[in-house]
Amino acid sequence: DAMVIQNPRYQVTQFGKPVTLSCSQTLNHNVMYWYQQKSSQAPKLLFHYYDKDFNNEADTPDNFQSRRPNTSFCFLDIRSPGLGDAAMYLCATSRDLTSGGSSYEQYFGPGTRLTVT
Amino acid sequence: AQKVTQAQTEISVVEKEDVTLDCVYETRDTTYYLFWYKQPPSGELVFLIRRNSFDEQNEISGRYSWNFQKSTSSFNFTITASQVVDSAVYFCALNTGFQKLVFGTGTRLLVSP
Repeated sequence: DAMVIQNPRYQVTQFGKPVTLSCSQTLNHNVMYWYQQKSSQAPKLLFHYYDKDFNNEADTPDNFQSRRPNTSFCFLDIRSPGLGDAAMYLCATSRDLTSGGSSYEQYFGPGTRLTVT
Repeated sequence: AQKVTQAQTEISVVEKEDVTLDCVYETRDTTYYLFWYKQPPSGELVFLIRRNSFDEQNEISGRYSWNFQKSTSSFNFTITASQVVDSAVYFCALNTGFQKLVFGTGTRLLVSP
């Protein structure tokens, strides 16, 4: 089945120690997203890639970076995790907008739960 | 500005009861898309439905139904004969075409046996 895969499902890192979360997709979607979701809150968009075009949200801290080496893979790098970065990180994909302005649903991976000690 | 309001923080029902989850949205755009997602305890957001602003037809899928009313800017979700497996957080979301979903704060549904 076509899907969005995230590894690892659970990640524990130490305060200040860089960590990388990975996402891969078999849907061949050209848009990929990273969301942060804290407990009992809605997902918050960090950034997204439209093909190789990176789009950062204005309020995303510099501590968060992303790489997309090819269509299938996207990485989230947290350079110096703080206790406040403990959260669920969700990767999603979607088809791009058509010239008519259609908007397609986003498909989410199972998430990576990050713990910072 | 776009905004989605889910006024119900948590709803508890007993199995087989019908339950409606409310969603009210705000946007100045004439073209927009509304979505419902389910987030079970496992954490994955599961897409349930997409509705565009030009299609006000209600939709039924098994025990799920959706009522879209532009006049009241609402897109409500009803589960008929609820089951324990329906227990999850449900998010309503809005997209005005810039690849950014605006989520509501979610409604936690607890279905007890």
